[in-house]
Amino acid sequence: DGGITQSPKYLFRKEGQNVTLSCEQNLNHDAMYWYRQDPGQGLRLIYYSQIVNDFQKGDIAEGYSVSREKKESFPLTVTSAQKNPTAFYLCASSIRSAALEAFFGQGTRLTVV
Amino acid sequence: AQSVTQLGSHVSVSEGALVLLRCNYSSSVPPYLFWYVQYPNQGLQLLLKYTSAATLVKGINGFEAEFKKSETSFHLTKPSAHMSDAAEYFCAVTPSGGYQKVTFGIGTKLQVIP
Repeated sequence: DGGITQSPKYLFRKEGQNVTLSCEQNLNHDAMYWYRQDPGQGLRLIYYSQIVNDFQKGDIAEGYSVSREKKESFPLTVTSAQKNPTAFYLCASSIRSAALEAFFGQGTRLTVV
Repeated sequence: AQSVTQLGSHVSVSEGALVLLRCNYSSSVPPYLFWYVQYPNQGLQLLLKYTSAATLVKGINGFEAEFKKSETSFHLTKPSAHMSDAAEYFCAVTPSGGYQKVTFGIGTKLQVIP
């Protein structure tokens, strides 16, 4: 079955450590996205990529980095520069079209301990 | 720039009652509009979308929404709430015509009371 796989589902990190969240899709979608979700704030866009080897900052990119070396993969690194990294992170993908129906992964809950 | 406003971060309805979740949008160009549903610790699932065809859009699980340009609204409704409808609902907007970022509302948590 086609879909988006995020791993791990739960992740614990010590302060000062970088951590990478995985996102893989087999939908043959060109565009991929990372969102951060905090209670009462909806989804905020971190980074997005329309094609391989290209990505753009979203609204809250500081303290995060991404790469897009393969069409199916869009990993997100939460660096030690991110002041408040504890959140629920969602990866999504879509076709490169004006009608952007996004398909979401199940999310990764990151907790800094 | 575009934005969406979801009125009411929490809505409670009795089982069998009408569900009405409000969404107003702002967009400088004709928009595409979406409603997504999220169950606890899950990703988002598309309920329905408006892409400038019919103004009344029917989605999954008995939900529908009507695009009203004069009111800049895209409210989500369901005639009769079911316990399984308890979830968080997100309205989203993107400008039509080429690739654009999607902007999400803050979400509305729907509680269904037996």
